[in-house]
Parts: sequence; structure tokens; C-alpha cells
Amino acid sequence: GAVVSQHPSWVICKSGTSVKIECRSLDFQATTMFWYRQFPKQSLMLMATSNEGSKATYEQGVEKDKFLINHASLTLSTLTVTSAHPEDSSFYICSARTSGSRYEQFFGPGTRLTVL
Amino acid sequence: TQLLEQSPQFLSIQEGENLTVYCNSSSVFSSLQWYRQEPGEGPVLLVTVVTGGEVKKLKRLTFQFGDARKDSSLHITAAQPGDTGLYLCAGALMDSNYQLIWGAGTKLIIKP
Repeated sequence: GAVVSQHPSWVICKSGTSVKIECRSLDFQATTMFWYRQFPKQSLMLMATSNEGSKATYEQGVEKDKFLINHASLTLSTLTVTSAHPEDSSFYICSARTSGSRYEQFFGPGTRLTVL
Repeated sequence: TQLLEQSPQFLSIQEGENLTVYCNSSSVFSSLQWYRQEPGEGPVLLVTVVTGGEVKKLKRLTFQFGDARKDSSLHITAAQPGDTGLYLCAGALMDSNYQLIWGAGTKLIIKP
């Protein structure tokens, strides 16, 4: 149980284009989903927290107009990187918290974004 | 600012040796999780500790939560090459979203 999928697993795009990453909870309802960014050999950096049906809460320094998050259902959240630039290249990981667990987050496999 | 200091950040040891990874904070956590991450994959939850002083064992891995719920340790006995990976601790704060505060990670390499 508690499986989270992400799609795509990797994407290469040209500078200036937008990229959408999907995060799905496959066998549970995720009341809260989190989006992280991870640089090589570093820990996870929380970008935003989204609750189903509400606007996402962004961490300080994260541009909400650049990283659009939609959490339209209890099983799907999307992150859209708008007008991507090479510095947006990174490993993006989502996680989901079940309503039954106050503490644990279950992670997707991540999406490797490369912006040329 | 809540910080969770994790040490060491890098550890390379021979197969069969023991090791301990520490996570320390001045904040009190409602729980603390330990994750393991392989390159190019998302973190996988190993264990959650909730009660102060709690000890949990997962085969050769022993996890302990400090009495004051501010620190935790991961001890690996007789490390194997398969234990190689990035180990991350994360403390859950007592807010409405139970946001996790992450340690910097420990890159562990077990040499055969």
C-alpha cells in the first residue's frame, strides 16, 4: 500500500517552454501532497505544500507564478514549471500524506528535469 | 528556524563494520522518520519513531528516538554493500500539515 507514482520520470525541454509533472497516489487518498526539489548529493528542499481543493502554500523563495501547483483531487497533484530555464534543471519529487497518518509521507520516484 | 543537523554527511566503511548516524535538533518533534534513497529514485520510508526513548529494530538497523524527542540515531550492525545509499532523517513538526524538517543526509558507502 501507499504507492505514489510520478510522470514523467524524466523530461528534457527547451528553455522557455513549460513542463507539467504529475503526482498520483495509487491506492490511497492523499489529503496533502508535497513537492520537493533535490540537487545532486543534497537533501530534499520543500517547495510547496498542497491540500486538496486549496491553493498551495509555497516556501520562502519559491516563485508561485513559476511553479504552478494544482491539487484538484485526492489522488492527483500537478507541478507545472513555466518558462523553464536551465537553472530549473533538477530532480523533482512529490510525496503524499494520507488522512490516516499524521506523520508519514510516501514519496514518488521523482522526475529528472533537464532544461536545455 | 527549525534545523535538523545530521552527521556524518559522508561515511565510507568496510563491509562488516558498525556505524551510527545522528540527527539532532533544538526542536521537539511529534515524530521522526528515517528514509533511504537510491540515486535517481524517491526516498523510501524505513521507520517512524513517535515516543520519546523509543527503539525500533529493522534487521541489522536500530533506530532510537531521544527521550526529549529532539534527536534520533540510526545504528547499522555488520554493514553490507547493500546498505549503500543516502540516509535521510526527517522530523515532523506539530503543525496542521505536519511538515517535515529534513536533515542534510548521510551518504553511506559500504565497501566489499
